[in-house]
Amino acid sequence: GENVEQHPSTLSVQEGDSAVIKCTYSDSASNYFPWYKQELGKRPQLIIDIRSNVGEKKDQRIAVTLNKTAKHFSLHITETQPEDSAVYFCAASMGTAGNKLTFGGGTRVLVKP
Amino acid sequence: DAGVIQSPRHEVTEMGQEVTLRCKPISGHDYLFWYRQTMMRGLELLIYFNNNVPIDDSGMPEDRFSAKMPNASFSTLKIQPSEPRDSAVYFCASSPGQSYGYTFGSGTRLTVV
Repeated sequence: GENVEQHPSTLSVQEGDSAVIKCTYSDSASNYFPWYKQELGKRPQLIIDIRSNVGEKKDQRIAVTLNKTAKHFSLHITETQPEDSAVYFCAASMGTAGNKLTFGGGTRVLVKP
Repeated sequence: DAGVIQSPRHEVTEMGQEVTLRCKPISGHDYLFWYRQTMMRGLELLIYFNNNVPIDDSGMPEDRFSAKMPNASFSTLKIQPSEPRDSAVYFCASSPGQSYGYTFGSGTRLTVV
């Protein structure tokens, strides 16, 4: 089955700096890559996603890049703010697997004011 | 739409007791997922349904766990008998189709003492 590795496990940045989280996946048939943000005690919430026919997608301060050849994808947060502090999860799925997502282990991001 | 609705929010039970967690997915979403989240193991997929039919239950830990989806608007996850190692946050999520992100419910925090 699919295996998703996520790095780093923790990330501390100064407010205003950028944060980058990287994920690798094992199954070349995976074609959908969402990112979730989970604040303490809350549910995971979808913040951005990318499909395999696209190399990059941006939404305000967040962007995701995908390299299908290398089987890795990354989340970029620019101009970080204290409210960006949370745990971020990447995930991957194959459409043929019926929308089953495999999640990475999570990255705890702390934005210091 | 009220989103994915889970109940109860918190459950404390004694070892050996039966526990039933409930979920109402978003109307029109064909996929329903049950996840378990712990610090040690992260987000684990337990089982998922497509059009009320269980598709993959390979993540169900053992026979003590069972899940049903009698109709498109209701699902249950039952643990009988419960054990302290079952303590976790259990999330239900729903999705409108393949290669679409999930919407998670608020979760049920289960504590087995």
